[in-house]
Amino acid sequence: EVQLVQSGTEVKKPGESLKISCKGSGYSFTTYWIGWVRQMPGKGLEWMGIIYPGDSDTRYSPSFQGQVTISADKSINTAYLQWSSLKASDTAMYYCARRMTTSEFFDYWGQGTLVTVSS
Amino acid sequence: EIVMTQSPATLSVSPGERATLSCRASQSVSTNLAWYQQKPGQAPRLLIYGASTRATGITARFSGSGSGTDFTLTISSLQSEDSAVYYCQQYNSWPPYTFGQGTKLEIK
Repeated sequence: EVQLVQSGTEVKKPGESLKISCKGSGYSFTTYWIGWVRQMPGKGLEWMGIIYPGDSDTRYSPSFQGQVTISADKSINTAYLQWSSLKASDTAMYYCARRMTTSEFFDYWGQGTLVTVSS
Repeated sequence: EIVMTQSPATLSVSPGERATLSCRASQSVSTNLAWYQQKPGQAPRLLIYGASTRATGITARFSGSGSGTDFTLTISSLQSEDSAVYYCQQYNSWPPYTFGQGTKLEIK
């Protein structure tokens, strides 16, 4: 069974750093892309970026380029999303999702990680 | 960036009836379009890809159609469990692969 299990809820202060994780199981982690999607409170879905764990090839949406860093550790089947200096506007639910190899949509999703940034 | 526009924003339909949700792209995305369902407090779930192919395990009550710029998700014989927000996503033109703003489906 394909599963993406994300790390737990985070409460941070503005200016702090953060790294959240997404662990894949039940499939070959290195042969599927993993993407990250933001959902701000009460809002829709925003495509942030994507990584291919096999070789760490990474692509970012222009809106998120330079704002976050996506990485992966294929030895432990885990992808990451990190911030060096959080802002209140980073408060959101963040989902990781697996992208099909033959197409660009997401077929499996993690349960989401809620990030709250508040002073 | 391709803009995806969904309509209506909210749709209220009685159980057993049919719901029709629309998604329009600002330029052609061919049939590179997916539909997702998101229930409150849950992650999105893939329903349809390739504009009309149901994902694994999705009931035949869900069907997708369209190509180019205009797409439709139809849900027949509505059940209470279909209450959710539905999002379309184009994956034809990057960056980025954009989502629509969502249609909230309410079951009366």
